[in-house]
Amino acid sequence: DAGVTQSPTHLIKTRGQQVTLRCSPKSGHDTVSWYQQALGQGPQFIFQYYEEEERQRGNFPDRFSGHQFPNYSSELNVNALLLGDSALYLCASSSWGQLETQYFGPGTRLLVL
Amino acid sequence: AQSVTQPDIHITVSEGASLELRCNYSYGATPYLFWYVQSPGQGLQLLLKYFSGDTLVQGIKGFEAEFKRSQSSFNLRKPSVHWSDAAEYFCAVIYSGAGSYQLTFGKGTKLSVIP
Repeated sequence: DAGVTQSPTHLIKTRGQQVTLRCSPKSGHDTVSWYQQALGQGPQFIFQYYEEEERQRGNFPDRFSGHQFPNYSSELNVNALLLGDSALYLCASSSWGQLETQYFGPGTRLLVL
Repeated sequence: AQSVTQPDIHITVSEGASLELRCNYSYGATPYLFWYVQSPGQGLQLLLKYFSGDTLVQGIKGFEAEFKRSQSSFNLRKPSVHWSDAAEYFCAVIYSGAGSYQLTFGKGTKLSVIP
């Protein structure tokens, strides 16, 4: 039974570019949440997707957007990258009926130069 | 606003010694409390969680945590630390009463273990 998977593992971009990160939830889960973890900090909630709609959003600008597909996988898109977007991006999956229990993937480390 | 405080940024213990990592959360109704562990370059692994009932909860890898509502605390403990426990530990909370199920994390405590 595969856990939460994320791709790519590492990514290097330059300022102003756009990036897409991908996440496949754990088998049986239908909800995906995204978190940003800056160096030396705890993860911060970006947004949550269920039934292909954004259900909750944290305090992040509109440059951060997402999508969920019918197979429950999800993408995180960041436009107009800033140096401060350099971070580990974590995906967490859960069931809509048990949102309090979230399982995390290994993350995608993004470096913006 | 919801917040979680982990007062200790870095703790060093000797292998075999006991461990207590502190966590305080801002007051809120019906908190769900969690401890996660993160090894270098890895994602987060759930150690244990508290939703209700017995205030002493057992988790994986020999860890336990105690919920104290009067102190707004949820401290993590382990009676005997192993070298493989060296990692970063995050306390997190969900306030389900607000209709939100986003995890709010503390800044983490880095644990170093010396032989």
